[in-house]
Amino acid sequence: DVKVTQSSRYLVKRTGEKVFLECVQDMDHENMFWYRQDPGLGLRLIYFSYDVKMKEKGDIPEGYSVSREKKERFSLILESASTNQTSMYLCASSFARQGVREQYFGPGTRLTVT
Amino acid sequence: KNQVEQSPQSLIILEGKNCTLQCNYTVSPFSNLRWYKQDTGRGPVSLTIMTFSENTKSNGRYTATLDADTKQSSLHITASQLSDSASYICVVTPQNNAGNMLTFGGGTRLMVKP
Repeated sequence: DVKVTQSSRYLVKRTGEKVFLECVQDMDHENMFWYRQDPGLGLRLIYFSYDVKMKEKGDIPEGYSVSREKKERFSLILESASTNQTSMYLCASSFARQGVREQYFGPGTRLTVT
Repeated sequence: KNQVEQSPQSLIILEGKNCTLQCNYTVSPFSNLRWYKQDTGRGPVSLTIMTFSENTKSNGRYTATLDADTKQSSLHITASQLSDSASYICVVTPQNNAGNMLTFGGGTRLMVKP
């Protein structure tokens, strides 16, 4: 069974704090992704990584950074949390081979910034 | 801009009844179309995946159809159960996309009542 785990299910942080969200997958997937999900907006891609130390901006990278030091781990960093970053954050991973590439999602982290 | 529109936004049905969820997309050409189920507070889980050459795919009581000419897909749920209460998300993968970027619909929230 593919397993994608996220470090926290619920997180409450104050405005201006630095926030780390961690994601770990156990399937040796090359690709990893961070999304945020907001009511009425669906899932939006923040950043993705197709290899260790490689990263690409998604649709909404502003205010976020990422780190991928090991293949199985992909971290999302909020340098200075703001209230508009209150959201559900979802991590996903997939193989990079050609063809149908299933993305497997973690359980999500619901972040509240006060 | 590639878009995926889902309807209805929300739906309430009685246990045991059937229902059909709709997905219209403008992504073209596309590689594959998926339907995900997302339980409240959880990450999305794949239900079906269809390439552009397929027009139907079943997974138990879930049947997805695809009409590539009209760019429409539907997800039909037969004999609904309380556990079907969730959000259902239509996802399209553009062909030749870099980095496995997906286009997500906004989802349909289904509630099955006893």
